[in-house]
Amino acid sequence: AQSVSQHNHHVILSEAASLELGCNYSYGGTVNLFWYVQYPGQHLQLLLKYFSGDPLVKGIKGFEAEFIKSKFSFNLRKPSVQWSDTAEYFCAVTTTGANNLFFGTGTRLTVIP
Amino acid sequence: SAVISQKPSRDICQRGTSLTIQCQVDSQVTMMFWYRQQPGQSLTLIATANQGSEATYESGFVIDKFPISRPNLTFSTLTVSNMSPEDSSIYLCSAKSGVRSGELFFGEGSRLTVL
Repeated sequence: AQSVSQHNHHVILSEAASLELGCNYSYGGTVNLFWYVQYPGQHLQLLLKYFSGDPLVKGIKGFEAEFIKSKFSFNLRKPSVQWSDTAEYFCAVTTTGANNLFFGTGTRLTVIP
Repeated sequence: SAVISQKPSRDICQRGTSLTIQCQVDSQVTMMFWYRQQPGQSLTLIATANQGSEATYESGFVIDKFPISRPNLTFSTLTVSNMSPEDSSIYLCSAKSGVRSGELFFGEGSRLTVL
C-alpha cells in the first residue's frame, strides 16, 4: 500500500531562515506528487505539484520541491521564510488516473518574526 | 478555481446520533470526494461521491456508516451515522480541479466532536 511520511511534525524558524521539509513515499510505480498548505483559519490549498519532466518544480510564494526518484522523496524548500508562511504543510501522492490521494501527517511550520 | 462551502463548520453531537454534512461547490465539477482527518493523523479518503449513483467507498469505510449523496454536479452530502467518540474528526469535502488526478480543491472542513 502507498504511504507518505513527513518526519518533521513541528518546525520553528525565524524569519529569513531557510526551510526544508522532508517527504518520503512508498510506491514503486509512476507517481504524481503534491504539497498542500493550510494557513490558519483557511482551507487546504495546492502549493505545488509534480507530474513529470523537470524534477525541480516551483510553486506559489517562492516554494519549490525536488523529486528524487532514487530516494522516493519530494522535499519542500524555501530559501527565506516569512512570518506569513506559518501554516501546516501536507505532502501527498497519487498514481496517474487514481482518485485516492495519500497524505502525510503534515508538518506545522511556525515562523517567528 | 472552485469555491467549496461546507455546513456545519463544527458541531458537538451525542453518541448514537447521526449528522449530515453538506458540501456545495460554486461550479460544476466532475468528481467530488470526502476525506476524514482524525486528530494527529493524516487525511484519509472516505469515498468518491458519484453523481447519480452510489458512492465508491475506500477500504475500511462502509455505506451504512457513511451514506453519501450526490444529486447533481455541484452538491454532495455525507452522513455520519450512529456516532461514537471515535468519529470525532474533521470531515473535508473536496473536488477535482483539473484533468489530472490529485489536483483538488477543499472545503474548510466540518469539525465534529462526539460526546
